[in-house]
Amino acid sequence: NAGVTQTPKFQVLKTGQSMTLQCAQDMNHEYMSWYRQDPGMGLRLIHYSVGAGITDQGEVPNGYNVSRSTTEDFPLRLLSAAPSQTSVYFCASSYLANEKLFFGSGTQLSVL
Amino acid sequence: AQKITQTQPGMFVQEKEAVTLDCTYDTSDPSYGLFWYKQPSSGEMIFLIYQGSYDQQNATEGRYSLNFQKARKSANLVISASQLGDSAMYFCAMREFNTGNQFYFGTGTSLTVIP
Repeated sequence: NAGVTQTPKFQVLKTGQSMTLQCAQDMNHEYMSWYRQDPGMGLRLIHYSVGAGITDQGEVPNGYNVSRSTTEDFPLRLLSAAPSQTSVYFCASSYLANEKLFFGSGTQLSVL
Repeated sequence: AQKITQTQPGMFVQEKEAVTLDCTYDTSDPSYGLFWYKQPSSGEMIFLIYQGSYDQQNATEGRYSLNFQKARKSANLVISASQLGDSAMYFCAMREFNTGNQFYFGTGTSLTVIP
């Protein structure tokens, strides 16, 4: 049981480049989400999804796109990276109930 | 308004002593859950304990207990008999079950256990 698989673990981008952070879960969770973690700011929600074909914005959605074509996958796209997007990104998933979030191992992203 | 407030950026505790990490929350949803996560220096997020809004008793998981005071909207984490391995960041989180199912996290408390 792999849980939540997040790739890559590390990434360096130049300003203006695009990339996709991959997230997959094998627990049949309806809820999937992306967070960014910055020092002193905790985890801030970027986008989330409550099922295939359904996505919604969180607290800090600007500069990021998501899609949910399957239950298992929830990729996060940076269309034109900016230095302000330098952060640690976490994907997390859960059932739609009083259930805990399961986290991926995180992606350290640096935008130069 | 902040959904989750953790007012202690850093805490120190002597090994084998107990420590309380504070968390207050803000919601009008009667159905919600409160969670605590631990993040060691390695970076992974580790689930510690859960308390539902309708639970009558405080949650306990081994050395972790959650002091749930519903009227005060507080959900403090108590770690008993601290160990060196407890040194980490601790995050309080809330999930509102009738309002979008989003998780809200606090800014975290950095705990250092002193030998």
